[in-house]
Amino acid sequence: DVKVTQSSRYLVKRTGEKVFLECVQDMDHENMFWYRQDPGLGLRLIYFSYDVKMKEKGDIPEGYSVSREKKERFSLILESASTNQTSMYLCASRPRFSYEQYFGPGTRLTVT
Amino acid sequence: QKEVEQNSGPLSVPEGAIASLNCTYSDRGSQSFFWYRQYSGKSPELIMFIYSNGDKEDGRFTAQLNKASQYVSLLIRDSQPSDSATYLCAVNVVNTGGFKTIFGAGTRLFVKA
Repeated sequence: DVKVTQSSRYLVKRTGEKVFLECVQDMDHENMFWYRQDPGLGLRLIYFSYDVKMKEKGDIPEGYSVSREKKERFSLILESASTNQTSMYLCASRPRFSYEQYFGPGTRLTVT
Repeated sequence: QKEVEQNSGPLSVPEGAIASLNCTYSDRGSQSFFWYRQYSGKSPELIMFIYSNGDKEDGRFTAQLNKASQYVSLLIRDSQPSDSATYLCAVNVVNTGGFKTIFGAGTRLFVKA
């Protein structure tokens, strides 16, 4: 079974803090994604990576950065957390020649 | 106009009935279409995908695609309370470097016992 894990299920941070969200997949997938999910807005793509050290902006990259130093790990960084970044963050991975994405359990981040 | 639109619901059906979930998309170049199920507090999981016009059946689920009308639907026959979840429609659109997946906001389904 494909397994995608995320470092925390729940996280509470203060405005201005630097926040790291970690995602690890164990199936040697080339592609990895970070989404945020908000009520009424669905899943919105923040960043994705199709290979180690490669990254591409998604639809809402502002306020975020990413790092992919190893194939299995994709990190999302909030440089200076703000209250409008309170959301559910979902990581996903996908093999190169497949359309199916496998999601992690999600991290519910609250910024106060 | 949103790229992928779904009625947010909630859609409520009695147990044993057919639940019909609908989705429209704006990009005529879209190639592939997906339905994900998301239980409350859980992450999405893929339940159906369809690439060609027509129907595709898998157990109690049928996906229907009409590219001319830019419309994709999911039918759930003999609905069960365990089908109660949010159903996300997703569409792959071509962009520079390959394709990207656009998700709808989801339709909440309640199946009443």
